[in-house]
Amino acid sequence: NAGVMQNPRHLVRRRGQEARLRCSPVKGHSHVYWYRQLPEEGLKFMVYLQKENIIDESGMPKERFSAEFPKEGPSILRIQQVVRGDSAAYFCASSPQGVNQPQHFGDGTRLSIL
Amino acid sequence: DQQVKQNSPSLSVQEGRISILNCDYTNSMFDYFLWYKKYPAEGPTFLISISSIKDKNEDGRFTVFLNKSAKHLSLHIVPSQPGDSAVYFCAASARTGNQFYFGTGTSLTVIP
Repeated sequence: NAGVMQNPRHLVRRRGQEARLRCSPVKGHSHVYWYRQLPEEGLKFMVYLQKENIIDESGMPKERFSAEFPKEGPSILRIQQVVRGDSAAYFCASSPQGVNQPQHFGDGTRLSIL
Repeated sequence: DQQVKQNSPSLSVQEGRISILNCDYTNSMFDYFLWYKKYPAEGPTFLISISSIKDKNEDGRFTVFLNKSAKHLSLHIVPSQPGDSAVYFCAASARTGNQFYFGTGTSLTVIP
C-alpha cells in the first residue's frame, strides 16, 4: 500500500451532506482509479482518470457522484447529497500506465452515513 | 453481472500445507489476471499476476495457474504460513478495456 495516500481514513456524514474523498497517487503515476466496496462484496470499479481527463466513468452512478484529477493536487471523489446506501469503503488505486499492469491501492476511506 | 467469481467465501488450512484459492471468469476477452491480498482496514496489496500467453507464473511460495479453456485460475500458496491469513481477491482485465473486474474474495485462515 505504500505510496497511495487517501484521506480521510474515516468520514461520517449526515444524509444530504456532501462527502469529499481525496487520493494522492504514487509519485510519478498518472493513472488513477476509484473503487467502491460494499460489505461482503468485492471491489467495484467506479471511474478511471488521467491528469485532467476522465477516461472511463462507466461504473459511476449517473447522479450525485463526480470525480476529478486536476493537473496539480490530489484526485477527488465527490458525493453530493449523500444517502445511507453510499456507506461503503472507497479505494483509490494508481498505476504508471493504463490497465494490464498491477495497480497500487491506498488504504481506503470508510464513509458512514448517519 | 459478476464477470469474475470466487465461489469459496472462506478456506482454512493447516500451517505448512498447501492453500489453493480458485477463481472463475466469464469474459473471454480477459487477458490479464492478478491476485491481491487484503488485511482488515487496509487496501489490497498486489501479490502476483499472469497474462493469457502463459499458463503458470511463480513467485516464491506463490504460484498462479491459468486454464483459459476452462476460464479458471488458481493461486497456490506453499507452504502456508499464519501471516498468509487474509482475504484474497482475484481480478481480471482486457487489453481493450479500462478497468479491472474483481471477485468477491476468499478469506484464508492458516491455522498454526
